[in-house]
Amino acid sequence: SAVISQKPSRDICQRGTSLTIQCQVDSQVTMMFWYRQQPGQSLTLIATANQGSEATYESGFVIDKFPISRPNLTFSTLTVSNMSPEDSSIYLCSVEGLEDAGDTEAFFGQGTRLTVV
Amino acid sequence: QKEVEQNSGPLSVPEGAIASLNCTYSDRGSQSFFWYRQYSGKSPELIMFIYSNGDKEDGRFTAQLNKASQYVSLLIRDSQPSDSATYLCAVSEDSSYKLIFGSGTRLLVRP
Repeated sequence: SAVISQKPSRDICQRGTSLTIQCQVDSQVTMMFWYRQQPGQSLTLIATANQGSEATYESGFVIDKFPISRPNLTFSTLTVSNMSPEDSSIYLCSVEGLEDAGDTEAFFGQGTRLTVV
Repeated sequence: QKEVEQNSGPLSVPEGAIASLNCTYSDRGSQSFFWYRQYSGKSPELIMFIYSNGDKEDGRFTAQLNKASQYVSLLIRDSQPSDSATYLCAVSEDSSYKLIFGSGTRLLVRP
């Protein structure tokens, strides 16, 4: 499987500020996704990061709050904007379409643990 | 709304026993089914995936899928304390590659 690197691994941020999370894959991948895992909860898909076009957001998530970039097939960023304590979660990057793993396997980065104070 | 249901547990089994984890899903269009293991404070790691009705075995793990009943399960044979974790069931439609996760079942394997 490909190596997925997420930065930062954790951060503590002030209310009202923004944080950009990076996801780097060591090989080209077809699709990249961003998930959120709130404390004690399961994973919820935020959006699909599309290379060369605007991200596709799931119900309840909007671009103004979670802008996403995907400049190429190995890299994506998720920004959590104007943060509030309710944004405290683990944010996870996921990739699929790995050439050596088949089209329908999804692998996760190590996650970014965000605490908003 | 598409849903994936799991019993939150905890499911407690003695070491060496078989642990049986269950999952139901609402969308009949779901094509791919995944089991992830998540240790506390860690990201999910893929254990198994299954696409066709029946059983799929990989070492101590067996995934079972019944599309008619919209039911997928994971059996862990010879359970070890190191298997203690939360197990997440996820489903996907092939065309989208997006995963819908259940809430997870916490498994405790007692030494």
